[in-house]
Amino acid sequence: SAVISQKPSRDICQRGTSLTIQCQVDSQVTMMFWYRQQPGQSLTLIATANQGSEATYESGFVIDKFPISRPNLTFSTLTVSNMSPEDSSIYLCSVPTGGGSGYTFGSGTRLTVV
Amino acid sequence: AQSVAQPEDQVNVAEGNPLTVKCTYSVSGNPYLFWYVQYPNRGLQFLLKYITGDNLVKGSYGFEAEFNKSQTSFHLKKPSALVSDSALYFCAVRDSPRGAGNNRKLIWGLGTSLAVNP
Repeated sequence: SAVISQKPSRDICQRGTSLTIQCQVDSQVTMMFWYRQQPGQSLTLIATANQGSEATYESGFVIDKFPISRPNLTFSTLTVSNMSPEDSSIYLCSVPTGGGSGYTFGSGTRLTVV
Repeated sequence: AQSVAQPEDQVNVAEGNPLTVKCTYSVSGNPYLFWYVQYPNRGLQFLLKYITGDNLVKGSYGFEAEFNKSQTSFHLKKPSALVSDSALYFCAVRDSPRGAGNNRKLIWGLGTSLAVNP
């Protein structure tokens, strides 16, 4: 299955600033998913990123707040813009693997906004 | 609407006893079902999946799950729990409509916190 390198693993940021999270996959994948997870809670899908087209955002998430880049089939970034303490969370990327029979996750980025 | 339910926020079990973590689902078509585990301060790890075939699926760390189509359930089980099994467990389902390919998002349960007491 694919291996994902996600950076940074954690960060503490000032409110009003932006943080860009990177995910590098060791194989080419068409789709990449970006999630948010509050500690101890379930995953919430932010958006689906398809190479060569704009990302598809879930209800409650907008491109201005969470811009996504997908320049090629092995890399994607998620930016958390104009951060507030409510954005403190774990952010995860994921890709489908095994012909769609599984999903691999990055190790996550633990973001704290102060 | 597609959904996944994990009716128990927390499950407590004594070490050595069997454990069950419940999951029910509601999707159109034939479901792809998954269990993931998240240990404290660590990423999500795949445990097992059901795509087709035998209703009893065996996965990592001695876990297994039984797919029950009539009850739309996919409960996670282990015959003998270990303290190290204490973690957060997530059930997820992916719809598999014809022609959709592999780029379908997962629908997640809210998670069940498993505590195995020594």
